[in-house]
Amino acid sequence: EVQLLESGGGLVQPGGSLTLSCAASGFSFNSYTMNWVRQAPGKGLEWVSVISFNGRSTYYADSVKGRFSISRDNSKNTLFLHMRRLRAEDTAVYYCAKEDGDYYFDHWGQGTLVTVSS
Amino acid sequence: QSVLTQPPSMSAAPGQQVTISCSGTSSNIGNNYVSWYQQLPGSAPKLLIYENNKRPSGIPDRFSGSKSGTSATLGITGLQPGDEADYYCGTWDASLSAGRVFGGGTKLTVL
Repeated sequence: EVQLLESGGGLVQPGGSLTLSCAASGFSFNSYTMNWVRQAPGKGLEWVSVISFNGRSTYYADSVKGRFSISRDNSKNTLFLHMRRLRAEDTAVYYCAKEDGDYYFDHWGQGTLVTVSS
Repeated sequence: QSVLTQPPSMSAAPGQQVTISCSGTSSNIGNNYVSWYQQLPGSAPKLLIYENNKRPSGIPDRFSGSKSGTSATLGITGLQPGDEADYYCGTWDASLSAGRVFGGGTKLTVL
């Protein structure tokens, strides 16, 4: 059974930093592209970032480019999102999502809440 | 504002059927597969439909997907109270650097 378990969320002040983790199990982690998707309170889904199976290619939404960094450790089946210079508008539940086929997300974690507030 | 347009809300009675639309352009829906996700209250999204009309194992055939031109549709028949959720379409958009986009979501109320 595929499982994705996010952790690392919490309360952080504007301008601060935070690193999210996503522990994966139940599939060959090193064979799949992985993503972060976020959802602000009461709002829709917003794609944030993607990393290729081998970590060599990464892309970001314009809203986080230059502030967030995605990485993975295939030896530990773990995905990361390093977030810095956080803003109030980054407040959201952050989901890690496994990508399959033509850009669809077949498995999602339960999410971790990041709150940016003073 | 998403590049994919969905109606913000819809409602229908139990047992009825509903269709949720997702409108795009030639740079996204017109030339790429569409997927659909269900998000029950307080839960993570779940894949309902991929590659326009395919259902993952475990998704009942009450859920269906179709695509025509630059629009896609999610159909739900035999509505149940448990279908009350937010529904999102997703696809690839060639005009964006990483391409992955979602619609704004449709809140379905089962009356």
